[in-house]
Amino acid sequence: GAGVSQSPRYKVAKRGQDVALRCDPISGHVSLFWYQQALGQGPEFLTYFQNEAQLDKSGLPSDRFFAERPEGSVSTLKIQRTQQEDSAVYLCASSLRDGSSYEQYFGPGTRLTVT
Amino acid sequence: EDQVTQSPEALRLQEGESSSLNCSYTVSGLRGLFWYRQDPGKGPEFLFTLYSAGEEKEKERLKATLTKKESFLHITAPKPEDSATYLCAVAYNTDKLIFGTGTRLQVFP
Repeated sequence: GAGVSQSPRYKVAKRGQDVALRCDPISGHVSLFWYQQALGQGPEFLTYFQNEAQLDKSGLPSDRFFAERPEGSVSTLKIQRTQQEDSAVYLCASSLRDGSSYEQYFGPGTRLTVT
Repeated sequence: EDQVTQSPEALRLQEGESSSLNCSYTVSGLRGLFWYRQDPGKGPEFLFTLYSAGEEKEKERLKATLTKKESFLHITAPKPEDSATYLCAVAYNTDKLIFGTGTRLQVFP
């Protein structure tokens, strides 16, 4: 079946521009997560949704970062007024969360470069 | 502070040379420990979930084990195609994952 998809795969933004990153989770998956991965590091949690509810946004680095999942399926991570330190790979993951399994399945990521 | 530490940072093996990767954690209320494989330019690929001490899971040349403080990923007779970064992550109290920095494995023919 289809896995998690993300678009665009690569994004170059000039400092100060706004960007929007899209995630299409696996069909039927209740939970959706966003992570940020710097080069040579493990992914770091940003935020997570259960259906359309944003249950945890404690990892968002600043108020320039905003995520939404209005219909409980596709999600968008928006970064306003991008800064160089925002350059990273942004990973999306989804999980069935059926009470007995918590595995998260990741998309290929969006590599954001801020110049 | 809740933490996940992986060792070694990098590992070079000859094809067929078995070894183990370590993941130690200091979280309380562990919900699950996860192993992922990540190839360059790709997202992490799910390998295993372990939920309780003493649990073991196997897949091809990989075997994951869990104790109360750490997990091991054993690689038996590795092949060059096993070369990747192996990530360990834990979930505790909530669904979010805390990742280690990974072990970069290179297997030479």
